[in-house]
Amino acid sequence: EAGVTQFPSHSVIEKGQTVTLRCDPISGHDNLYWYRRVMGKEIKFLLHFVKESKQDESGMPNNRFLAERTGGTYSTLKVQPAELEDSGVYFCASSQRGAPTDTQYFGPGTRLTVL
Amino acid sequence: AQSVTQLGSHVSVSEGALVLLRCNYSSSVPPYLFWYVQYPNQGLQLLLKYTSAATLVKGINGFEAEFKKSETSFHLTKPSAHMSDAAEYFCAVSQNNDMRFGAGTRLTVKP
Repeated sequence: EAGVTQFPSHSVIEKGQTVTLRCDPISGHDNLYWYRRVMGKEIKFLLHFVKESKQDESGMPNNRFLAERTGGTYSTLKVQPAELEDSGVYFCASSQRGAPTDTQYFGPGTRLTVL
Repeated sequence: AQSVTQLGSHVSVSEGALVLLRCNYSSSVPPYLFWYVQYPNQGLQLLLKYTSAATLVKGINGFEAEFKKSETSFHLTKPSAHMSDAAEYFCAVSQNNDMRFGAGTRLTVKP
């Protein structure tokens, strides 16, 4: 069974540009999560999809970030326009039920560098 | 709100020595606690989780953790470190639909 995949693995852009990150969850997992780790600090929750609906987006830092999950399969996270402080590693995770005891399966992350 | 604190951003042990990575939690309700490991250039992998069943939880690769309510701790241990254990380890608490992570502890294993 394929795990969670993320694309690209690395992205280097200039301040003011747009970047779109993609996440493909494990097949059959309705729950999809985005997290971010900035500058070696703790991994922070961004948002949670259940199928195509946003269940919780309380962690999204501001309106420059837009997440979508059309059709309830893969998800994209767009940053527009990117700022220097957006640099970090963006992780995607998926789980089957979305219960607090559920294991979340993580992708390898996308390392975003904003110059 | 629930949170976890990992004591020590870097831990170094010799091969064959005991591994002890510390995690303390803060929660007003019984927590669900997790340990994840991240090897270089890979995603986070679940080592073990506590879901209010047995307080001593055994995980993969010889790791285990004990939930101690009186100490609000969930420390990760392994009796004998291997070189392959070198990685970054994250403690996390599950709250509603999201995980709250500690800052991570990077484990170095010396030959």
